[in-house]
Amino acid sequence: SQQGEEDPQALSIQEGENATMNCSYKTSINNLQWYRQNSGRGLVHLILIRSNEREKHSGRLRVTLDTSKKSSSLLITASRAADTASYFCATDESGNTPLVFGKGTRLSVIA
Amino acid sequence: DAGVIQSPRHEVTEMGQEVTLRCKPISGHDYLFWYRQTMMRGLELLIYFNNNVPIDDSGMPEDRFSAKMPNASFSTLKIQPSEPRDSAVYFCAIQNVSGRGKNIQYFGAGTRLSVL
Repeated sequence: SQQGEEDPQALSIQEGENATMNCSYKTSINNLQWYRQNSGRGLVHLILIRSNEREKHSGRLRVTLDTSKKSSSLLITASRAADTASYFCATDESGNTPLVFGKGTRLSVIA
Repeated sequence: DAGVIQSPRHEVTEMGQEVTLRCKPISGHDYLFWYRQTMMRGLELLIYFNNNVPIDDSGMPEDRFSAKMPNASFSTLKIQPSEPRDSAVYFCAIQNVSGRGKNIQYFGAGTRLSVL
């Protein structure tokens, strides 16, 4: 079953612009994670935000979590062509169950 | 990709043939997952193991699919007989529940399967 739903499905921006991707989920969670997938590769973990956290930063990445709205956003600032990839959110309901991944957002950064 | 080695990277086979996909975790882990990814259905969890024991195989689409984990360093996903609709990228991933990086999944590079 799918828990996270990313929005938009696809996003195309110019290099240097900010990219924002959103994720909505349905049940309570222990944490929410964002992953990146380059074409032809496996998913790579980017950042984890716990249910009691509201915002987290890692380099050019900023993640927010609103548990009342069951939503999260991933912001990539000053995007680069190398950021072109698919981005997935994944929810962890209890810490002892498998992550549930959304279908992802395909980001294209045009140089 | 470094923590999980999958082979082969690409597999082309004919309908009806048996296909075996392999996964070798390099590092220790508590869980091992097999996923299938297609454009239409996204990333689907097929089966996962905890300490080499299958826990949930409800995602396995049919009896044609089977998975084994004879030891902590090796797992296989077998499709017999294969069908064109099995064409997808199959990923193996591992996860620990303690220590640094707990509850994060580490994926292999995947096997791209084409069934003609």
